[in-house]
Amino acid sequence: AQSVTQLDSHVSVSEGTPVLLRCNYSSSYSPSLFWYVQHPNKGLQLLLKYTSAATLVKGINGFEAEFKKSETSFHLTKPSAHMSDAAEYFCVVIISYNTDKLIFGTGTRLQVFP
Amino acid sequence: GAVVSQHPSRVICKSGTSVKIECRSLDFQATTMFWYRQFPKQSLMLMATSNEGSKATYEQGVEKDKFLINHASLTLSTLTVTSAHPEDSSFYICSGGLGNYGYTFGSGTRLTVV
Repeated sequence: AQSVTQLDSHVSVSEGTPVLLRCNYSSSYSPSLFWYVQHPNKGLQLLLKYTSAATLVKGINGFEAEFKKSETSFHLTKPSAHMSDAAEYFCVVIISYNTDKLIFGTGTRLQVFP
Repeated sequence: GAVVSQHPSRVICKSGTSVKIECRSLDFQATTMFWYRQFPKQSLMLMATSNEGSKATYEQGVEKDKFLINHASLTLSTLTVTSAHPEDSSFYICSGGLGNYGYTFGSGTRLTVV
């Protein structure tokens, strides 16, 4: 069965410092993985996606993630945090190619301090 | 890119009344739409999968008579919360399926039942 685990419920960084949001997945076959960002009372915006192409995926707003099959990880990083990056981040895996259902991680709240 | 328009963004209703939430795919045909519910500071919970021209598929534990889903066209899916009660207060989000290319989410509806 497919699942996704976000290891940190909260991450706090100072503006200008690197961001690391961790995600591990479990899948019986090659998964499709996504990172979404949600600002308060807003819908979700796609940051980036991995669909069995390049393992290092670049997304919007300077974010990137690396798919590591040996570690079953898909961690999200950004070299330098900005105040506007403060939001909730979700790691997501597609549950099945037949149904296209998504499984969401529990989310990581990123705080950015000036 | 693909856009899903969700309305209303906020609604307050009296207990016992019904509320309809609409999601429209603006520049693509959504044969499948997903409806999620999100409790405060929690992840998204899939409620049901809406398929154009057929009955929705509900997740275990979701009352299909309370949460009526209609997907009458390729661009419109609606969720009606019938006989709403305070415990139905939540943030509801729809998404249009684009499979492995990533899903587009509506901006969400904050429902408050008083």
